Amino acid sequence: GENVEQHPSTLSVQEGDSAVIKCTYSDSASNYFPWYKQELGKGPQLIIDIRSNVGEKKDQRIAVTLNKTAKHFSLHITETQPEDSAVYFCAAKLRTSYDKVIFGPGTSLSVIP
Amino acid sequence: NAGVTQTPKFRILKIGQSMTLQCAQDMNHNYMYWYRQDPGMGLKLIYYSVGAGITDKGEVPNGYNVSRSTTEDFPLRLELAAPSQTSVYFCASSYVANEQYFGPGTRLTVT
Repeated sequence: GENVEQHPSTLSVQEGDSAVIKCTYSDSASNYFPWYKQELGKGPQLIIDIRSNVGEKKDQRIAVTLNKTAKHFSLHITETQPEDSAVYFCAAKLRTSYDKVIFGPGTSLSVIP
Repeated sequence: NAGVTQTPKFRILKIGQSMTLQCAQDMNHNYMYWYRQDPGMGLKLIYYSVGAGITDKGEVPNGYNVSRSTTEDFPLRLELAAPSQTSVYFCASSYVANEQYFGPGTRLTVT
C-alpha cells in the first residue's frame, strides 16, 4: 500500500544549530505535504505545508523543500530553540477517491540548551 | 470557536466492555478522522468521513465502528474492548483533505 517514510526517528541538536528531517512518499500523484508538530500530551498541530507546484516554502525559522522527481521532501529548522523540542510528523495526501493523508512515523527532536 | 473537542480525556475499560469516544467540531469541516497513537509511534488512521452519512475504513479499522449523522459529530465505537486497543485516540477535522485540526486526545487503557 501507499506509505510515507521518515528519517531520522530521533534527532538531538545543540541550541542554535539546524535540524533536518527527511521524508519519502510512494504515491507519485500526491500533491499536498504537511508537517505537524506534537508537543507532549497534546494533539499534532500543523506548522508548515507545501503543495506540489512549488519547490520550497519558508516561514521564519522553518522551511520545507520538495523534490517531486525523487518523491522526497524535507523540513529544515534553523537556529533551534528548546521550545522546538517535540515530535514532528510529515504527511502526504493520497489521490484516492477520497483524498486521504498518510502520516510518517515521526521524528523526536531534542534541542539541548 | 472551540475547535475539535473530545470526551472523555481518560478512560479505563475492562476486557469485553464497550464504549463510545465522542468527537465534535464547530468549524463546519466536512472531513473528519479518527487516529490511534501507540506509545512512541506514529498516527494510524482508523476511520474517516468526508461528510454526513459517508464513512470509510482507514489502515486499522478492526474492532471499531463509526457513524456520521451530522457535520459536527463523529463518534467512535469500541465493541468488546481488547488490551490491543490500549492507545491514545485523536479525532481531527479538515476542510477537504488539507490542514487537519486535532483534538486533545482520549487516553484509553484496557485491562
